[in-house]
Amino acid sequence: GEQVEQLPSILRVQEGSSASINCSYEDSASNYFPWYKQEPGENPKLIIDIRSNMERKQIQELIVLLDKKAKRFSLHITDTQPGDSAMYFCAASAPSSFSKLVFGQGTSLSVVP
Amino acid sequence: ETAVFQTPNYHVTQVGNEVSFNCKQTLGHDTMYWYKQDSKKLLKIMFSYNNKQLIVNETVPRRFSPQSSDKAHLNLRIKSVEPEDSAVYLCASSSWGEAETLYFGSGTRLTVL
Repeated sequence: GEQVEQLPSILRVQEGSSASINCSYEDSASNYFPWYKQEPGENPKLIIDIRSNMERKQIQELIVLLDKKAKRFSLHITDTQPGDSAMYFCAASAPSSFSKLVFGQGTSLSVVP
Repeated sequence: ETAVFQTPNYHVTQVGNEVSFNCKQTLGHDTMYWYKQDSKKLLKIMFSYNNKQLIVNETVPRRFSPQSSDKAHLNLRIKSVEPEDSAVYLCASSSWGEAETLYFGSGTRLTVL
């Protein structure tokens, strides 16, 4: 089945700088790649996603890039703020997987003043 | 209010006891899931149901058994809990199909003494 690797596991950045999280997947049939943010004590919430017919998507300060050949995708947060501090999870799913999302290991992002 | 509701929020029990967790969604979705989030924050799918039918059943010990009375409810029973069952159990729901957003409940934190 699909496996998703996510790096780094811990990321600490200065407020106002950019943060980047990278994920790789194994199943070339995977075609949906969402990103979830989980704040302390809260449940994971979708923040942005990208489908395999796109290479880049941006929602405000969030940018997602997808490289299907390399089977990699990444999240970039520009102009980070303290409120961006949280766990971030990438995920992937394939059409044959019955809507099963496989998550990466998570990245703990800390934005320091 | 439309959301995914889980009860209880916390449960502390002894090794060998049986526990049950409840989940209800009022989002009108037809697919529901149980995910396990361990102490390292790893999110792993356990089961998914579509319209009361089991769709995904990952490699999970047999002491775990999901139960769905209708498409809005998905419960989880654990017979004879083990210490390694200590985790947060997250219920989620989505519409059926590819590339559907998961909506998570607030989770049930299980501690096995």
